[in-house]
Amino acid sequence: DTGVSQDPRHKITKRGQNVTFRCDPISEHNRLYWYRQTLGQGPEFLTYFQNEAQLEKSRLLSDRFSAERPKGSFSTLEIQRTEQGDSAMYLCASSSGQGWEEQYFGPGTRLTVT
Amino acid sequence: AQKITQTQPGMFVQEKEAVTLDCTYDTSDPSYGLFWYKQPSSGEMIFLIYQGSYDQQNATEGRYSLNFQKARKSANLVISASQLGDSAMYFCAIPADGGSQGNLIFGKGTKLSVKP
Repeated sequence: DTGVSQDPRHKITKRGQNVTFRCDPISEHNRLYWYRQTLGQGPEFLTYFQNEAQLEKSRLLSDRFSAERPKGSFSTLEIQRTEQGDSAMYLCASSSGQGWEEQYFGPGTRLTVT
Repeated sequence: AQKITQTQPGMFVQEKEAVTLDCTYDTSDPSYGLFWYKQPSSGEMIFLIYQGSYDQQNATEGRYSLNFQKARKSANLVISASQLGDSAMYFCAIPADGGSQGNLIFGKGTKLSVKP
């Protein structure tokens, strides 16, 4: 049984660089979510997909952020021209999309922008 | 808009005792779900328990139970017989639109420390 996986687990980058994170959801799950969590806060929603369709994006998702889920399986989250304020834990979650079911989270990618 | 309030930034409990973590919420949706997650220092969010607003009985999952008071918009998590491994951050969450479609709104969390 494989859960949600994320890669890389840690990323250190210099301000202005682009970074890309990958999320592999639980295989039979058709919903995939991205959240961002900063120190001392709960996760904040960024965007989510139903299969390959991106159904909702948060106001937090500036135009420097883009997410894709091209074949309805894994997803990527890219941040262009990173800023120090982008330093956070980026969490991916998936769910089966049936009613009020729990979301299963991955271990997260911790981004540090120097 | 949905809102979750967790008023206890930190809590201490003696090992083997019970502890209650508070959560109040604000929603205008007639039906909704409430979720609790645990986040150990490793960072992964672990689902603990869920309660639907129309569920007649409080949810229980092993040592976890929900004290759900709909009229007060309160969904407190009770952990019985605390263990050292229960030391973690605990988050209460509600779906953003009250339905099943999308993301969860999380509170700021409560840091639970279990003392031996």
